[in-house]
Amino acid sequence: DQQVKQNSPSLSVQEGRISILNCDYTNSMFDYFLWYKKYPAEGPTFLISISSIKDKNEDGRFTVFLNKSAKHLSLHIVPSQPGDSAVYFCVWGAQKLVFGQGTRLTINP
Amino acid sequence: DSGVTQTPKHLITATGQRVTLRCSPRSGDLSVYWYQQSLDQGLQFLIQYYNGEERAKGNILERFSAQQFPDLHSELNLSSLELGDSALYFCASSVTGIANLGSPLHFGNGTRLTVT
Repeated sequence: DQQVKQNSPSLSVQEGRISILNCDYTNSMFDYFLWYKKYPAEGPTFLISISSIKDKNEDGRFTVFLNKSAKHLSLHIVPSQPGDSAVYFCVWGAQKLVFGQGTRLTINP
Repeated sequence: DSGVTQTPKHLITATGQRVTLRCSPRSGDLSVYWYQQSLDQGLQFLIQYYNGEERAKGNILERFSAQQFPDLHSELNLSSLELGDSALYFCASSVTGIANLGSPLHFGNGTRLTVT
């Protein structure tokens, strides 16, 4: 069964610097990955995605990199802003969605 | 605002009781998903409905059941509640029956269930 691992429960970054959130997966069969962002007392919101045929996808300050040989993907946020402070979920997608445990990102002024 | 409405926001009940959580999907979305998030855990998929029919099942306990009504709203029923059922329960909706890049899930703000 697919496992999605976000090994860092939390990450603290200075405002204006780069935030890098990492995710590892076990099953090589997938259609896409998603990143969701969650603020307290709210549901997760879709942030950015990447399909299995790409190794990079960029949307404004957010870039996701996919390394299929290492079964690893990462989300880069540049520059980091205080409003980026949230929990970020890496999500594996292939007919169903499997969520990682999340990484709590804190952006310090 | 995702357009997905969940009620109630908070629910406190005792062990052994039964509760019903309600979800109204975004206008136009035919599929409803239920997820459970226990403390500091990722979201665990419970069950999915598409246009009134059960489409997929995840790690849903036999004490839990759900349904989607003709107006597309959905209810998750939790019975014989245990302390370990305390969690955030999220509902999400999508246009199609298969979550894909063209049809990401839109989540409600969740129902926080506390079993005492």
